[in-house]
Amino acid sequence: GQSLEQPSEVTAVEGAIVQINCTYQTSGFYGLSWYQQHDGGAPTFLSYNALDGLEETGRFSSFLSRSDSYGYLLLQELQMKDSASYFCAVDSNYQLIWGAGTKLIIKP
Amino acid sequence: NAGVTQTPKFRILKIGQSMTLQCTQDMNHNYMYWYRQDPGMGLKLIYYSVGAGITDKGEVPNGYNVSRSTTEDFPLRLELAAPSQTSVYFCASRKERGQETEAFFGQGTRLTVV
Repeated sequence: GQSLEQPSEVTAVEGAIVQINCTYQTSGFYGLSWYQQHDGGAPTFLSYNALDGLEETGRFSSFLSRSDSYGYLLLQELQMKDSASYFCAVDSNYQLIWGAGTKLIIKP
Repeated sequence: NAGVTQTPKFRILKIGQSMTLQCTQDMNHNYMYWYRQDPGMGLKLIYYSVGAGITDKGEVPNGYNVSRSTTEDFPLRLELAAPSQTSVYFCASRKERGQETEAFFGQGTRLTVV
């Protein structure tokens, strides 16, 4: 079967750094994406890794290791507005296979 | 640029009724998707399409039907609504796999079946 595993909830302090991990098992793999979803909203795209290594976009970075079927999203200088759910998604053949999401709780 | 437009935003259906959720994108994307999201859960794929005239089932297709007569439109039909279909429905599109993989989502349809 196809599956993605990520923690259900992560708590961090405003201004800190947090890492959200994702491990995957899929029949096809073109890349790993990360999406952010605020309560009541639609998912929005954050980043995409097709090759091993780190991709940086402002305060957000994403990492991929294809040999370990593992990736993570790193959020730096956390702000209250980063409180949301974060999803990893594998680009597999014609589909996007989604994890169950990680709820990020940020405390002042 | 409108992106992905989904209608309606909210709907209440009675058990056994039918309805069509509309989805239109103006980005000339090949791939389109319908997902449902239950509270506190991830996205489950209902149906997807890789181009006009081509559709395929996802994880949870039972109780739903789709069509893709044009590149722009991908309506989702609910037949004989059941309480288990109470959920938030998202339509999404993306251009291609690989570097063009970013998916764009509609604003969602909150459906309640009573």
